[in-house]
Amino acid sequence: GAVVSQHPSWVICKSGTSVKIECRSLDFQATTMFWYRQFPKQSLMLMATSNEGSKATYEQGVEKDKFLINHASLTLSTLTVTSAHPEDSSFYICSASVSSLRGVYNEQFFGPGTRLTVL
Amino acid sequence: GNSVTQMEGPVTLSEEAFLTINCTYTATGYPSLFWYVQYPGEGLQLLLKATKADDKGSNKGFEATYRKETTSFHLEKGSVQVSDSAVYFCALNRGGTSYGKLTFGQGTILTVHP
Repeated sequence: GAVVSQHPSWVICKSGTSVKIECRSLDFQATTMFWYRQFPKQSLMLMATSNEGSKATYEQGVEKDKFLINHASLTLSTLTVTSAHPEDSSFYICSASVSSLRGVYNEQFFGPGTRLTVL
Repeated sequence: GNSVTQMEGPVTLSEEAFLTINCTYTATGYPSLFWYVQYPGEGLQLLLKATKADDKGSNKGFEATYRKETTSFHLEKGSVQVSDSAVYFCALNRGGTSYGKLTFGQGTILTVHP
């Protein structure tokens, strides 16, 4: 099946610094990538939808200036947490999918996630 | 708005036991419904799906039926194995302008003992 990777798998940073997380589709071209956040023992919360070559669409309540998303190519999307604070500590998960010419829903393929800890 | 509610876990079973994980949803229109599984250290994987009422999704011995009248999509397996130990997520996709956007339940941890 399709493989999505994330890098790094975990990161620890100091408060006030910025952290970049990469999401790559390894064996397919992803027209759409999604970024989720997961708190301990809680559900995945969709943060934003990213389409290649266009600006990301953020969900209500997600700060665009804090969580910068770039989808520069069909195989790479990045999430940058700017001026990170301890409350940004979480598990960040990306997924990738391919749009169908028929407009039919296509399966999302998920990355393994990135654990961010802000001290 | 859309929401998905799963039975609280963790669920602990012995090998070959019957498994049910309840899932109910709230949504407008006619969403598609999914079960995802997350094995330790791995990303979520699609387990099965159903796109319309009365559809039954099935895969690897797991089944779930889209029940519009009860807004439910319960996951079942007749005989679980140790290798089924994982976290299971129920999800819906409302479609339309929200095409591709998934709303997840909180996840249910399943542990199967030999």
